[in-house]
Formats: sequence, C-alpha cells, structure tokens
Amino acid sequence: GAVVSQHPSRVICKSGTSVKIECRSLDFQATTMFWYRQFPKQSLMLMATSNEGSKATYEQGVEKDKFLINHASLTLSTLTVTSAHPEDSSFYICSARDSGNGYTFGSGTRLTVV
Amino acid sequence: KQEVTQIPAALSVPEGENLVLNCSFTDSAIYNLQWFRQDPGKGLTSLLLIQSSQREQTSGRLNASLDKSSGRSTLYIAASQPGDSATYLCAVRTGANNLFFGTGTRLTVIP
Repeated sequence: GAVVSQHPSRVICKSGTSVKIECRSLDFQATTMFWYRQFPKQSLMLMATSNEGSKATYEQGVEKDKFLINHASLTLSTLTVTSAHPEDSSFYICSARDSGNGYTFGSGTRLTVV
Repeated sequence: KQEVTQIPAALSVPEGENLVLNCSFTDSAIYNLQWFRQDPGKGLTSLLLIQSSQREQTSGRLNASLDKSSGRSTLYIAASQPGDSATYLCAVRTGANNLFFGTGTRLTVIP
C-alpha cells in the first residue's frame, strides 16, 4: 500500500533556530501534500496544502513566513519552522492523497523547542 | 463549514467485548470518509475508507458503515483486544483537498 515517510521523528532545537521536516511519498507520486499540527489530546489541524511546483496554500492563522513549505518534486515536501519558539513545540504530521483517494499519513515529527 | 464530531470521547471496555464508535458530520456532501487509528506519539494509520456511494467496508474485525444522508458513520470493532487500544479518528473529505477530522475517541481495552 501507499507509504509516506516523515523525518525526523523527533527533534529538539534551541529557540531562534530553524528546523526542517521532510515528507516523502515512497511508492507513489503526490502532486499535493498536506501538513498538520496536533496539540496534546486534540485532533489534527490543517496548516497548509503543499502543491508540487507552486506555492503552498496556508490555512487562516498560519504564518507562511514562519512555516516555509517547499514541494520541489512529486515525492518530497518539506516544512521548515523558522526562528522556532517554545510555542511552536508540537506534533507535526504530513499526508498525501493516495491512488485509492484515501489519505496516507507520515509517522509524525515531535518538535520540542527549548 | 464541515464539522465532524465523535462520540464518545473516551471508552474503556473489557477484552473480548464488541464496541461501536460513532462519527457524525454536518454536511452530507462528502467524497468519502476514512477511519484512522493513532497510537500515542505516532502518526495515523488508515483503517477503512468508505466512498460516498458505499454503505460499509470491512477489514478483519473492523466494520465501518456510512449513512451519508443522516451524516453518520460507525466503526464496529469485534472481539476487542488490548492491542486495539488507541485513539480512533474519523475524517471526511468534502472537496478536492479538504479533509475534516473528528476529535477522536480514545479507546482502552482492559485485559
């Protein structure tokens, strides 16, 4: 079945630094990928839709200059959290729509900003 | 805007019991509905996908039903096992790329 690989699974960084998270579709091409954020004991909140070869579409309230998204190929999307602050600490998950019209999710990245 | 609600928020059952998780959505114009499982600190694992034209899907001990007109879906788990303990999320797709998640049901199966 469709597999989405997300790296790293866990990262700790200092305030003010930037962190890049990668999301790869391993056995299918994904013209569109999605980035979600999840706070403890809450459901997923869509942050942005990543489109291959064009600009990402951000949800209301999500700062595009802070959460940079690049979708340079049909199998890779990256999310860079710039100038990270402790309030950016969260669980970030990417997904892609697979050939069966369902969504396949990555394993998530736990970001802790200290 | 589509709103997805899951009831109950948490559920504890003894091992071996059958159980039903509920999902309701406000806008019946959906493409499909997907049930996921999420283990603590992990990503989402797709369990079942029901297209809008379908009424149910089955996979092993899992059966998901869809009543689009009433805006409801259920996930039935037969003969529950401790390994089934996780948070179960339903999500409805309403547009080309619009996926709306429920708040989840945290299931604990007690050995």
